[in-house]
Amino acid sequence: EDQVTQSPEALRLQEGESSSLNCSYTVSGLRGLFWYRQDPGKGPEFLFTLYSAGEEKEKERLKATLTKKESFLHITAPKPEDSATYLCAAEGYGGSQGNLIFGKGTKLSVKP
Amino acid sequence: DVKVTQSSRYLVKRTGEKVFLECVQDMDHENMFWYRQDPGLGLRLIYFSYDVKMKEKGDIPEGYSVSREKKERFSLILESASTNQTSMYLCASSFEQNYEQYFGPGTRLTVT
Repeated sequence: EDQVTQSPEALRLQEGESSSLNCSYTVSGLRGLFWYRQDPGKGPEFLFTLYSAGEEKEKERLKATLTKKESFLHITAPKPEDSATYLCAAEGYGGSQGNLIFGKGTKLSVKP
Repeated sequence: DVKVTQSSRYLVKRTGEKVFLECVQDMDHENMFWYRQDPGLGLRLIYFSYDVKMKEKGDIPEGYSVSREKKERFSLILESASTNQTSMYLCASSFEQNYEQYFGPGTRLTVT
């Protein structure tokens, strides 16, 4: 069964304290791995797509990386405005087209 | 920028009522999706559509139906609302498979 697991469930950081969020996936052939940011009461906002192991993408303080079993979202010197829930999703060849399997998210809190 | 809009941000309905949730995207995307999001359960796919008048069941279609008469519009219908359908409903669209999904702001539905 296709599955996406994110850890930790919640993460508290001090401003400037770098860390990483983990996304482990089990899908029948990975089409794409997606990262989203979600603020309370709002829809998820797209961040990155990764397609193959070894691929990396960056945006401001965020960098996403991909291996054959995991993806990491690295946050460098976070600021309070980075506080949000970060969602990971995978699309596999075994499922229907465009059908993403979402993890339950990591709630990040960054304190000033 | 891709824009996905949903007809209501908040909605309160009574048990047994028929409920319509509307979603419109302005980027000529082929695929459109309806999810519900509940604490501890994450995002779950209800239905999706990869073309006008085409639809496929997601993971939790029971109690819901959908309609896609025009490419830009995807409607979710709760035939007879029940209290266990109280949730945040999120619409999304994507260009095609293997591409990122863009989400609307969500509709928080309460069924009393």
